[in-house]
Amino acid sequence: GAGVSQSPSNKVTEKGKDVELRCDPISGHTALYWYRQSLGQGLEFLIYFQGNSAPDKSGLPSDRFSAERTGGSVSTLTIQRTQQEDSAVYLCASSLLAPPLAEQYFGPGTRLTVT
Amino acid sequence: AQSVSQHNHHVILSEAASLELGCNYSYGGTVNLFWYVQYPGQHLQLLLKYFSGDPLVKGIKGFEAEFIKSKFSFNLRKPSVQWSDTAEYFCAVKPHNNNDMRFGAGTRLTVKP
Repeated sequence: GAGVSQSPSNKVTEKGKDVELRCDPISGHTALYWYRQSLGQGLEFLIYFQGNSAPDKSGLPSDRFSAERTGGSVSTLTIQRTQQEDSAVYLCASSLLAPPLAEQYFGPGTRLTVT
Repeated sequence: AQSVSQHNHHVILSEAASLELGCNYSYGGTVNLFWYVQYPGQHLQLLLKYFSGDPLVKGIKGFEAEFIKSKFSFNLRKPSVQWSDTAEYFCAVKPHNNNDMRFGAGTRLTVKP
């Protein structure tokens, strides 16, 4: 079946603009993570959704970052007033159950460049 | 704050050489441990994970990892690498009591044919 998809694959934006990044998880997966990978860094946890529970937003780096997951499926990560340090690859992963009970499947990522 | 350290940034080996990639973490509680691999042009995928029980974990493609609790380590090993193992390898740690999954910076493995 289809894997995790993310759009757009690449996004170039000017400093100060808002951006929306989209993640389509695998159908039926209840858990969804957003991560950020900056150049030369490991993946940085941003936010976690599990079913209908309130999301764990403890990894969001500032209040410019927000995410939602509509209907327990598609998720959107929004970055307001983008800064150059927001440039990174944003990865989404979904799993059937909460990790580590089930494997996380990663999407291809969205490469964000803030000029 | 918890962290995950992968000491080798880039490892270059010849085919049939043995591999060991280091991973250390700093977290005092119960953890789950993972190794992920990203082949060129592909998504991250799970190699193996430690959940509980036998600290020696076997994964796909002949990889294994050993959890040594006293050393806070989860090193990845393979007795004989192949050219197709060329990829980037990430160690990850998830504390048992929260959702914050921490990844190391990754180790790039290049296997020369």
